Amino acid sequence: GQQLNQSPQSMFIQEGEDVSMNCTSSSIFNTWLWYKQEPGEGPVLLIALYKAGELTSNGRLTAQFGITRKDSFLNISASIPSDVGIYFCAGDFNSGGSNYKLTFGKGTLLTVNP
Amino acid sequence: SAVISQKPSRDICQRGTSLTIQCQVDSQVTMMFWYRQQPGQSLTLIATANQGSEATYESGFVIDKFPISRPNLTFSTLTVSNMSPEDSSIYLCSVEGIQVGETQYFGPGTRLLVL
Repeated sequence: GQQLNQSPQSMFIQEGEDVSMNCTSSSIFNTWLWYKQEPGEGPVLLIALYKAGELTSNGRLTAQFGITRKDSFLNISASIPSDVGIYFCAGDFNSGGSNYKLTFGKGTLLTVNP
Repeated sequence: SAVISQKPSRDICQRGTSLTIQCQVDSQVTMMFWYRQQPGQSLTLIATANQGSEATYESGFVIDKFPISRPNLTFSTLTVSNMSPEDSSIYLCSVEGIQVGETQYFGPGTRLLVL
């Protein structure tokens, strides 16, 4: 089956620093998604990417859909303590519409020291 | 995005028993999904809950172990049957966004501990 390689596994940073994490796949994805999961909660969608090369921002978060359609990155600028959580990338092989079947990366655990 | 609730939020169960988890959405959705997240792990799709027909299970998951109901477009249940400690996980339901091109939104999860 399809696999996503997400890195790094964990990050320990100081408040105010920028963060970058990425996912790569051996297969082509038609959709890339980034979720954040906090303790005791379900994953919350941060950014969805639908086109190769697409660069999308959501506040301090920026994500890009790689040109090869096999990778994506997520950047967080000027991190704050509430950015703490596990960030998951997820990919889908369907070109929009119904029958999404998401494959998830293993997650990046982000810790921000105030 | 849809508002999704799950019941129970957490439970501690004895091995050999079964637990039914409910997922309620505040609007009608076509696609509902059930995921498992084992401790410290990523999310794995168990099945797609189809309204009016049997669920579609992923490799490694079977109906006898994880029976699913989907009686209407806003509600689904997942039962974890004949539980063992290996079933201790977070169980999450998700729904596909209403508009074409939207993606999946997740419920808060049900934290299950099997003793």
